[in-house]
Amino acid sequence: TQLLEQSPQFLSIQEGENLTVYCNSSSVFSSLQWYRQEPGEGPVLLVTVVTGGEVKKLKRLTFQFGDARKDSSLHITAAQPGDTGLYLCAGARETSYDKVIFGPGTSLSVIP
Amino acid sequence: EAGVAQSPRYKIIEKRQSVAFWCNPISGHATLYWYQQILGQGPKLLIQFQNNGVVDDSQLPKDRFSAERLKGVDSTLKIQPAKLEDSAVYLCASSATGRSTDTQYFGPGTRLTVL
Repeated sequence: TQLLEQSPQFLSIQEGENLTVYCNSSSVFSSLQWYRQEPGEGPVLLVTVVTGGEVKKLKRLTFQFGDARKDSSLHITAAQPGDTGLYLCAGARETSYDKVIFGPGTSLSVIP
Repeated sequence: EAGVAQSPRYKIIEKRQSVAFWCNPISGHATLYWYQQILGQGPKLLIQFQNNGVVDDSQLPKDRFSAERLKGVDSTLKIQPAKLEDSAVYLCASSATGRSTDTQYFGPGTRLTVL
């Protein structure tokens, strides 16, 4: 059983469309991070959220941490081919201080 | 600032052979991680070092996998003997302090194929 679930597993969209990917758990997380991984490379950190209800924006990307700190979403506005990659959420549960676990990822393909 | 270096980038071996991977973390980073990433899945932590001590190796198959971090800098991960199911990308990452809110900086990974 995955401690962190991500949906959808795969997403293929046209350039210019908007999309949202989700990260969910039955556990409460003290912090949550989103990484993007391009083919043949290691993951790169996009954002860290620590407060329930927190919203962070990074250019066309908007990240939200759920009020109960059990879920998070990543919204991309006007997707571009450069957004293509595997989006991973990672977090540390309140009961496992500083032990970070990764979700299975959402594979995004943006078609020009 | 130089990133996390890993070698080799690719390795093909036959089952029951042994293999070793090397990682050089970002200078000054106290924490070093080894992950296994099977195709289509997220990274799974194998072992976490804080300086040269092991913090977490609960998911390391200790009958065949071993890792060390000499002098709290470079690290090697070894598999002996390899099984078909060990085919994966092995990622090394480092962070400044090991806190969950730290940025983990990843190397490009070593893609292992076991035939």
